Amino acid sequence: EIVLTQSPAALSLSPGERATLSCGASQSVSSNYLAWYQQKPGLAPRLLIYDASSRATGIPDRFSGSGSGTDFTLTISRLEPEDSAVYYCQQYGSSPPISFGQGTRLEIK
Amino acid sequence: QVQLQESGPGLVKPSETLSLTCTVSGGSVSSVSYYWSWIRQPPGKGLEWIGYIYYTGSTHYNPSLKSRLTISVDTSKNQFSLKLSSVTAADTAVYYCTRVRSSGASGYWGQGTLVSVSS
Repeated sequence: EIVLTQSPAALSLSPGERATLSCGASQSVSSNYLAWYQQKPGLAPRLLIYDASSRATGIPDRFSGSGSGTDFTLTISRLEPEDSAVYYCQQYGSSPPISFGQGTRLEIK
Repeated sequence: QVQLQESGPGLVKPSETLSLTCTVSGGSVSSVSYYWSWIRQPPGKGLEWIGYIYYTGSTHYNPSLKSRLTISVDTSKNQFSLKLSSVTAADTAVYYCTRVRSSGASGYWGQGTLVSVSS
């Protein structure tokens, strides 16, 4: 099973700043099959990025994904107040099982 | 627009079987392009993948749940279902059904349903 470790656990930034969230895998993620999700309180997660760098439909270009192998990054440029959420990475290159990171909590102060 | 809706009891007794159904609208569970999955989230915790199914009935399960788990699909009703047997308090969670892209990311999610395991 591939274990995903996200860092930092929590992050507090100001509107207009840039956020860099990391996701490290215990083994190489096959075909860079890695996704990022945003989850706000009381809501289901929303897919932001799939296959490491492809933006999902309707996702603003402020959100970008990069990386390969065992190291992946979600970058949110020009932070807005509504970006406050928990962000999860997920690998689906080696399944079962598909696995998720533990999440990064982003606060926009 | 694809919509998914979970349904089932919100309270299950320990040792009994948790049963949930996901009804899909605006799309077909018979589509060759997608899988259909269940993901859960214990209160205040992270996400755990449970398993997924293809319209043919082919399944992939989380090994940690496999011995207690059955996922099935009913193409005539455009639904898929989850059964988890011998539940304990550790199975208390919000359960989500999702549509899975061919490569594996979940692009559409139901709103989630909280299932509590308690006597």
